[in-house]
Amino acid sequence: DVLMTQTPVSLPVSLGGQVSISCRSSQSLVHSDGNTYLHWYLQKPGQSPQLLIYRVSNRFSGVPDRFSGSGSGTDFTLKISRVEPEDLGVYYCLQSTHFPYTFGAGTKLELK
Amino acid sequence: QVQLKESGPGLVQPSQTLSLTCTVSGFSLTSYNVHWVRQPPGKGLEWMGRMRYNGDTSYNSALKSRLSISRDTSKNQVFLKMNSLQTDDTGTYYCTRGGKQPFDYWGQGVMVTVSS
Repeated sequence: DVLMTQTPVSLPVSLGGQVSISCRSSQSLVHSDGNTYLHWYLQKPGQSPQLLIYRVSNRFSGVPDRFSGSGSGTDFTLKISRVEPEDLGVYYCLQSTHFPYTFGAGTKLELK
Repeated sequence: QVQLKESGPGLVQPSQTLSLTCTVSGFSLTSYNVHWVRQPPGKGLEWMGRMRYNGDTSYNSALKSRLSISRDTSKNQVFLKMNSLQTDDTGTYYCTRGGKQPFDYWGQGVMVTVSS
């Protein structure tokens, strides 16, 4: 199985600040069709996860441009600028290039 | 609008079989995949398996021997059955829609406790 390593585990932030979350895979996420199936989700407390970014860098409908995704191969980053209270929660990366699909262990974004 | 809703028993005895239903609306099961994802209390997410739009299924190899996913397109429902439940199967079970924007909509989740 593809191991997804997310860092850091916990990320204290001040409102209005900027943060980055790293997600590294144990093998390349480039599919034979040429696409890279790496996605990002936010799970707010007591809620279901919600899609933020799909295929590395595409923002889902309604996701503010404060969120951006980048990376290639095995190394990916989610950046959040001008952090707002509604951004707090646990962020997960997901790879759907290889079966079984695998998630990172999560990064908890919390207030300093 | 797109909606998914999980239903099933909240309590299952060890060694018994879990049966969950995901009822969808706002899209067709013959156009989109539906996946099952679970989350132990306080822990991360685990992909369990999927029902493809064409009726094919894929399973997490870690669960494959215990897991079965099926559907009834006339009722807009996808079913999960998992046997030989143990306490570490306790958690919240989600169904979610798959497509070009993967897992774009999720159900509210159903909490399942495995206990005697």
